[in-house]
Amino acid sequence: AQRVTQPEKLLSVFKGAPVELKCNYSYSGSPELFWYVQYSRQRLQLLLRHISRESIKGFTADLNKGETSFHLKKPFAQEEDSAMYYCALWGGGNKLTFGTGTQLKVEL
Amino acid sequence: GAGVSQSPSNKVTEKGKDVELRCDPISGHTALYWYRQSLGQGLEFLIYFQGNSAPDKSGLPSDRFSAERTGGSVSTLTIQRTQQEDSAVYLCASSLYGYQNTEAFFGQGTRLTVV
Repeated sequence: AQRVTQPEKLLSVFKGAPVELKCNYSYSGSPELFWYVQYSRQRLQLLLRHISRESIKGFTADLNKGETSFHLKKPFAQEEDSAMYYCALWGGGNKLTFGTGTQLKVEL
Repeated sequence: GAGVSQSPSNKVTEKGKDVELRCDPISGHTALYWYRQSLGQGLEFLIYFQGNSAPDKSGLPSDRFSAERTGGSVSTLTIQRTQQEDSAVYLCASSLYGYQNTEAFFGQGTRLTVV
């Protein structure tokens, strides 16, 4: 079975502060991990995937197989980063398993 | 169309009635997915289509739920004899092949309220 855990329902930070959204997963094989984002009144969209190893909107995420984690990080939060963030795991069978999501609120 | 389209955007129904939710995927996308998002929960996988066939129906919560896809395009999710616990946002997504290979694009969702 595959599982994704996002321990924080809400994360509140000040503008300019660093952000780390936590994601841990459980899967016996080699997973592919993703971060999806949903801005207010917009549809869910892909933010980044670990195989791309790229930075999107200043966000990065590194897959740590030893700790089974895929935390999302940004050094300086911006107001426009406020959104709902979902970590997701593709473990085969064309099924994406999502976490419960973390609401990020960036305060001025 | 430009993106995945779902209809209706909102649906209020009485307990015990049947409902149909529709998803129009992006043209040419062979893979189609249904998810359910309940309050305080993550996105719960329901069913996956590749073309018109559904190789994975494992997420359908009961036999009151069914889905079909025709012409490799439009999909309908049907919930029979709706219950209050069926209240949720139902999301549809499509991708060119499958999640591993390409990005999945989501619709705006249908908010179902069973009263």
